[in-house]
Amino acid sequence: EVQLVESGGGLVQPGGSLRLSCAASGFTFSDHYMDWVRQAPGKGLEWVGRIRNKANSYTTEYAASVKGRFTISRDDSQNSLYLQMSSLEIEDTAVYYCTRGTGTPPFDYWGQGTLVTVSS
Amino acid sequence: DIQMTQSPSTLSASVGDRVTITCRASQSISSSLAWYQQKPGKAPKVVIYKASSLKSGVPSRFSGSGSGTEFTLTISSLQPDDFATYYCQQYKSYPFTFGPGTKVDIK
Repeated sequence: EVQLVESGGGLVQPGGSLRLSCAASGFTFSDHYMDWVRQAPGKGLEWVGRIRNKANSYTTEYAASVKGRFTISRDDSQNSLYLQMSSLEIEDTAVYYCTRGTGTPPFDYWGQGTLVTVSS
Repeated sequence: DIQMTQSPSTLSASVGDRVTITCRASQSISSSLAWYQQKPGKAPKVVIYKASSLKSGVPSRFSGSGSGTEFTLTISSLQPDDFATYYCQQYKSYPFTFGPGTKVDIK
């Protein structure tokens, strides 16, 4: 059974940093691109970014709203995906989901989400 | 960036109704479009991908159509489990973008 489990959310002050993790199981993690998607309270879905697999040099893509502040990485030996967030802004307050970006269909599996609250 | 719009933003319907949601892209995305169902407090679930392909296990009352810039999601006979918010998403080019959502609620 495929599982994605996010952790690391919490309360952080504006300008602060936080690292989210996503533990994957039930599939060959190293084969797949992985994505982060977020959802501000009461709002719609926003794609945050993607990391490709080793065959594609672990290259990344980001939304303009987070580029230069957020970094996506992965550890295939640990079946883990990460989102390092810095210079956090109040507008970054959201539930953050990890999702499997490649498959049939793409984005077929999602974690339960982890809440990040940026507030003073 | 490719902008996605959806209409209507809210749809009130009854069990058994045929429901259609429209999604438009600001430029052609070929068939690189997915539809998601999301219920409160839960992660989204993909129901349609590649514009018209039904995800395995999703009831056949769901269908998708369209290509290029205009797409539709149809629920042929609305069931109680279908009351939710539906989002379209393009995955043709980065950044991937979602529509603002359509809430389907009980009439």
